[in-house]
Amino acid sequence: AQSVAQPEDQVNVAEGNPLTVKCTYSVSGNPYLFWYVQYPNRGLQFLLKYITGDNLVKGSYGFEAEFNKSQTSFHLKKPSALVSDSALYFCAVRDIANSGGYQKVTFGTGTKLQVIP
Amino acid sequence: SAVISQKPSRDICQRGTSLTIQCQVDSQVTMMFWYRQQPGQSLTLIATANQGSEATYESGFVIDKFPISRPNLTFSTLTVSNMSPEDSSIYLCSVSIASEQYFGPGTRLTVT
Repeated sequence: AQSVAQPEDQVNVAEGNPLTVKCTYSVSGNPYLFWYVQYPNRGLQFLLKYITGDNLVKGSYGFEAEFNKSQTSFHLKKPSALVSDSALYFCAVRDIANSGGYQKVTFGTGTKLQVIP
Repeated sequence: SAVISQKPSRDICQRGTSLTIQCQVDSQVTMMFWYRQQPGQSLTLIATANQGSEATYESGFVIDKFPISRPNLTFSTLTVSNMSPEDSSIYLCSVSIASEQYFGPGTRLTVT
C-alpha cells in the first residue's frame, strides 16, 4: 500500500522569506511524486513532479522540491514567498510498481500555506 | 497535456435525489478517475473507469451509490445516487497522461 503524510495542517511564513511544506511518503517500490496547489474555489493545479533523475525538481511559479530517498521525503520549497502563494498544497504519490496496470495516485491531507504581508 | 471539463460546475440538490456529473477530456485516455474532496479534507479516490469495462471501486465506495459510465475514450459520468448531506463535496474527474495526473475543475455539490 502507498501513503503520503503532510505533518503540518498549516504553515505561516512572512512574505519574502523562504518557505518549506513537508511531505513524506511510503511505497513498496519506487515512487512517482507530485505537488499540486489548490486556490480557493478552483481546481487542482499541477506544480511539479519527480519521476527519476536529479533529486531537485523545479516546477511552476518558482517552486521546487527535493526528493530524498533515504528519508522518504519530498518537501516543497520556494526561496522567497509571495502573498499570492497562499493556498492549499497537496503532496501525492504513485507507486511505480503499480504503474503498469493501475495508476492510482494517493494524496496527502493537504497543508494550508499562509503568506503574511 | 489534457484539458478536462466538468458539468455542472456546482449544484444544490435535495436529499434523496440523484445527480449525474459529466466529464469530458480533450484527448483519448485509457483510464479516468473520480475523486471526492469533502469540505476541508484531502482527495479520496472513488473509482477508476476503463472504457469498455466496469469501474473499479475503492474501499468504502459501491456501484449502487456511485454508478459510473465510460462510453468512450474521452467521456465519463459519475452519478451520486440517493443523496444525503454527507455527500456534499467537490467531485473531481482526473486522467493520467505520461505520468502526470490532470484534474477537471470539479463539481461542487451541496445536499440539503
